[in-house]
Amino acid sequence: EDQVTQSPEALRLQEGESSSLNCSYTVSGLRGLFWYRQDPGKGPEFLFTLYSAGEEKEKERLKATLTKKESFLHITAPKPEDSATYLCAVANTGFQKLVFGTGTRLLVSP
Amino acid sequence: EPEVTQTPSHQVTQMGQEVILRCVPISNHLYFYWYRQILGQKVEFLVSFYNNEISEKSEIFDDQFSVERPDGSNFTLKIRSTKLEDSAMYFCASSEVNRALQYFGAGTRLSVL
Repeated sequence: EDQVTQSPEALRLQEGESSSLNCSYTVSGLRGLFWYRQDPGKGPEFLFTLYSAGEEKEKERLKATLTKKESFLHITAPKPEDSATYLCAVANTGFQKLVFGTGTRLLVSP
Repeated sequence: EPEVTQTPSHQVTQMGQEVILRCVPISNHLYFYWYRQILGQKVEFLVSFYNNEISEKSEIFDDQFSVERPDGSNFTLKIRSTKLEDSAMYFCASSEVNRALQYFGAGTRLSVL
């Protein structure tokens, strides 16, 4: 059974304090790993797709990386507007569904 | 930018009543999904739909649930007899054919009293 585990559950940073979020996964055949951002009461908003180990994607202050067992979302010099829950999800080669982790709640204080 | 649209944003219903949640997927997408998120828990897959039939469903998606694409733009989730434990955020998503990336709507918050 495909599984996604995210850590930490919650992370509090000062503005400008860089850090990383972890997503460990077990999947029978990886079709893609996805990072989404979710604001309270809203739907997941797409950030990145990674398809194979060694791949990296970058967007503003965020950078996602992928190995055969885990993915990291690196946040460089975060701002308060980066505060949200960050969700990791995987899709395997046999099915259409996404399997989500429980997310990391990030709070960035000014 | 194209987006998935869901209505209503909040639905309140009495236990045992039927509800229909509506979604308008992105126009050139052909795969459609429903997920739910109980407060404080992870997003869970319910069902996927392609070519006017269910392609995959989870254990949660029992006989009380059904999906339909009544016309060329809408995609609906019906819950026949709601239970208290059906209270959750329900998200619709869509994707292009042969693409795993799914785009999500803002969700419908279902409150069963």
